Amino acid sequence: DAGVTQSPTHLIKTRGQQVTLRCSPKSGHDTVSWYQQALGQGPQFIFQYYEEEERQRGNFPDRFSGHQFPNYSSELNVNALLLGDSALYLCASRASGEHYEQYFGPGTRLTVT
Amino acid sequence: AQSVTQPDIHITVSEGASLELRCNYSYGATPYLFWYVQSPGQGLQLLLKYFSGDTLVQGIKGFEAEFKRSQSSFNLRKPSVHWSDAAEYFCAVGPTDSWGKLQFGAGTQVVVTP
Repeated sequence: DAGVTQSPTHLIKTRGQQVTLRCSPKSGHDTVSWYQQALGQGPQFIFQYYEEEERQRGNFPDRFSGHQFPNYSSELNVNALLLGDSALYLCASRASGEHYEQYFGPGTRLTVT
Repeated sequence: AQSVTQPDIHITVSEGASLELRCNYSYGATPYLFWYVQSPGQGLQLLLKYFSGDTLVQGIKGFEAEFKRSQSSFNLRKPSVHWSDAAEYFCAVGPTDSWGKLQFGAGTQVVVTP
């Protein structure tokens, strides 16, 4: 079992650009959440996807959007990048019937210059 | 406002010594409680969780945590630290009616010295 995988590992973008991050959930999991972890901070919840719909959202602007595909994989899109979007972006997956049995991926390190 | 506080940003402990990491939360009702560990280049790994019942919770890697409702605390302990325990530790809470939306503390960096 490969666990939760994320791509790419690292990414450098310029302010104003757009970026797409990808996540493949652990086998058997159908729910995916995304978190942003700024340097020296704890992760902050961005949103959660289940059955290809956004089910919950944290306090993030509309520049942050996502998608879930029929195979349960997910993308996080960020438009009009700001320097403050530089962070580690973590994906977590779980089975919909499992309370909080979330598994986290290694993350994508995004640097905005 | 809901919050999770980890008062210690950084802790240094000798190998073989005991470790205690503090976590306090402010919430409308008793939430679900978690401790995660993050090593460099690694994702978050769940150490243990508390949903209800026995207030002393056993986790992986020899860790345990005690829930104290009166103090709104969920402190993590390990009797004897190994060098491999050097990592960042996060306390997290989640509402019982909103699956998966975790709120994390800022973390405690643990350094283990020989």
